[in-house]
Parts: sequence; structure tokens; C-alpha cells
Amino acid sequence: AQKITQTQPGMFVQEKEAVTLDCTYDTSDPSYGLFWYKQPSSGEMIFLIYQGSYDQQNATEGRYSLNFQKARKSANLVISASQLGDSAMYFCAMREGLAGGTSYGKLTFGQGTILTVHP
Amino acid sequence: GAVVSQHPSWVICKSGTSVKIECRSLDFQATTMFWYRQFPKQSLMLMATSNEGSKATYEQGVEKDKFLINHASLTLSTLTVTSAHPEDSSFYICSARLEGEAFFGQGTRLTVV
Repeated sequence: AQKITQTQPGMFVQEKEAVTLDCTYDTSDPSYGLFWYKQPSSGEMIFLIYQGSYDQQNATEGRYSLNFQKARKSANLVISASQLGDSAMYFCAMREGLAGGTSYGKLTFGQGTILTVHP
Repeated sequence: GAVVSQHPSWVICKSGTSVKIECRSLDFQATTMFWYRQFPKQSLMLMATSNEGSKATYEQGVEKDKFLINHASLTLSTLTVTSAHPEDSSFYICSARLEGEAFFGQGTRLTVV
């Protein structure tokens, strides 16, 4: 079963507008973490934002915010004031389990969303 | 912040040869590193978990004899693609764990001709 689902293969947004990238997840583990990464054409994975399953407030990092709806198991990324440099592939990822396990830190990725920002 | 360096960033090799990719944590010790594979415009798929001083744990469907992983020190894990074939052409990227957070290398684009 797909653990992380990103249903938008591609998204387009006008420069300076806000855009929401969807992510839903599935886990029975009460302790987990959700990440968003940006991958430009160079291939590097750029960490954007993190939300822990026990965090009470939605995470924010500059122009990035995470709309965390635990009951719906969704963790959508909101990018405000889009810039041309935001054009890239975006991945939602989940880390399961508690610290101390040998595989702790292993990430399961969604399919990704290609975001294109138009001038 | 924590820095992970992956080398080489790209490599072209002939069919049948072996290629070694290095993943180094530059400013921290990483007992666990992860190796992922990514085809163009697709997701990252975990290949294996590399633990310092012990055998790697491979994901289902990944051939351990083809993708040899060695994690001989706390700062270095290597992935060797043995007897490479054109279908092994892909983007390989490692990450190192530090306090539960994953720090990624720059990735390696492998082309087998």
C-alpha cells in the first residue's frame, strides 16, 4: 500500500501567487515525522520543512508552511509569494518509528509534484 | 549544518564494469546511511540501509550481490554497482542520519553505455 501519496504530478502557479502541494500519508505508527524536500534539476535534495506527529502547531519556515491535518492524514505544503526559482520537483516524505532503531531516519517518499512558476 | 558529500557527481561507464560511489559525512559521524535510487521524474526508492560495522539491510527486490554496500567507518559508506548494465543507469543518492534527521549528498548520475 502506498504510504505517501502526492496526487498532483504537475502544478502551475503565477509568480507572486501562493500554491498548495498536496500530500496524504498512511501509517499506524503513533510517532512519525513528515518532511518536504525540493529537488531542482541538479538533483540535490533541499530540505524545506518538517512536522512531527506530536507537534501541536503547523510548521512554518519563511515562505513555506505545512498545513498538517492529522485526522485526515494530510500534510500539504503551502508556498507563499511564489518565485521563479521555486520551479522544481517537490517531494513529501515520512519517517516512521522511534529514535534508537537501526533504520530510524529511513524516509518513504511520495511520487513528487513538478511545480512550474510562470512569470 | 551537517554536510554530506557524495562522489562522483556523475559517471559514465562501460557495460560489464563496476562503479564505486562514495558517501561521506564531513562534519559528523553517521552510524547509519541510506542509499536511494531515482529514475527520471520519479520518486526516490530506498535501496538499502547501511550500518557502520555491520552488513547492510537491503530492501525487497534489490540484489545485494549487484549493489555492494560497505560502511567501514563512521563517516564513509560506499555503493559499488557491479557488472553494470544500461538498465542500472539512474540517479543514486545517499543520506546520512544525524539525530533522526536525514542529510542528503548531492547525488550521482550513473550512465552505463
